[in-house]
Amino acid sequence: GEDVEQSLFLSVREGDSSVINCTYTDSSSTYLYWYKQEPGAGLQLLTYIFSNMDMKQDQRLTVLLNKKDKHLSLRIADTQTGDSAIYFCAESKVNRDDKIIFGKGTRLHILP
Amino acid sequence: DADVTQTPRNRITKTGKRIMLECSQTKGHDRMYWYRQDPGLGLRLIYYSFDVKDINKGEISDGYSVSRQAQAKFSLSLESAIPNQTALYFCATSKGLGNTGELFFGEGSRLTVL
Repeated sequence: GEDVEQSLFLSVREGDSSVINCTYTDSSSTYLYWYKQEPGAGLQLLTYIFSNMDMKQDQRLTVLLNKKDKHLSLRIADTQTGDSAIYFCAESKVNRDDKIIFGKGTRLHILP
Repeated sequence: DADVTQTPRNRITKTGKRIMLECSQTKGHDRMYWYRQDPGLGLRLIYYSFDVKDINKGEISDGYSVSRQAQAKFSLSLESAIPNQTALYFCATSKGLGNTGELFFGEGSRLTVL
C-alpha cells in the first residue's frame, strides 16, 4: 500500500531548529520530497532526495532519509517567521504511473 | 505572470449547479493534475493526464469530470455540485518522473458549495 504519514502541527521558537518528520510505507519509492505551502498559495518544492541518498543539505535545510525505517525528516536551522507554513512530505516511484503521494501536511507555527 | 494559472480563484455556488474550474500552463509540460485540499486531509488526487489523449482517474474522481482541451489546458468540472465538494482545488503540472517528478502548482481555486 501507499501511505505517507506526518504529524499535523509543530510549534518552534524563532531561532531554534525545526524538525518535521515523515514516515512512508512504499520501500521502492524513488524520490522523496518536501513541499512548502505558504498561506494563500500553492505548494512549492522545497527540496527532494533520491532514494539512494542518506542526507542532503541546502543552506538552512537538512533532509535525512532512513530507508530501513522508511523515515524522512526535514530540519530547518535558525527558524524564521518566514518559515511559517504547511510542509508536505511526498513520495514517488519511477516506473509507476506518474503519481506523487502526499502526506497530510505539518503546520509549522513560529513562536516569538 | 504565473506559469500555472487557475480560474476562478474563488467561487461560491449552490447545490446542484454545474461548475468548471480552468487551468492553463505555460511550462510546456505534458502532464497535468487536479488535486483537492481539505484541512487535515492533505492533498488528494482527483484526475491526471499524461497528454491530450490520456486521462486517468485519481483516488477521488467520483462527482468530477475533466477535459484536456490542449497540452496547455486542463479543466475540472463538477456536474452537480454538493456541499462536501467545498474545498481548495489545485492544478499542477510536471515533466514526468524521469526529471525528479517535481510538481508545479497553481495558486488554487477556493470553491464553496452552499
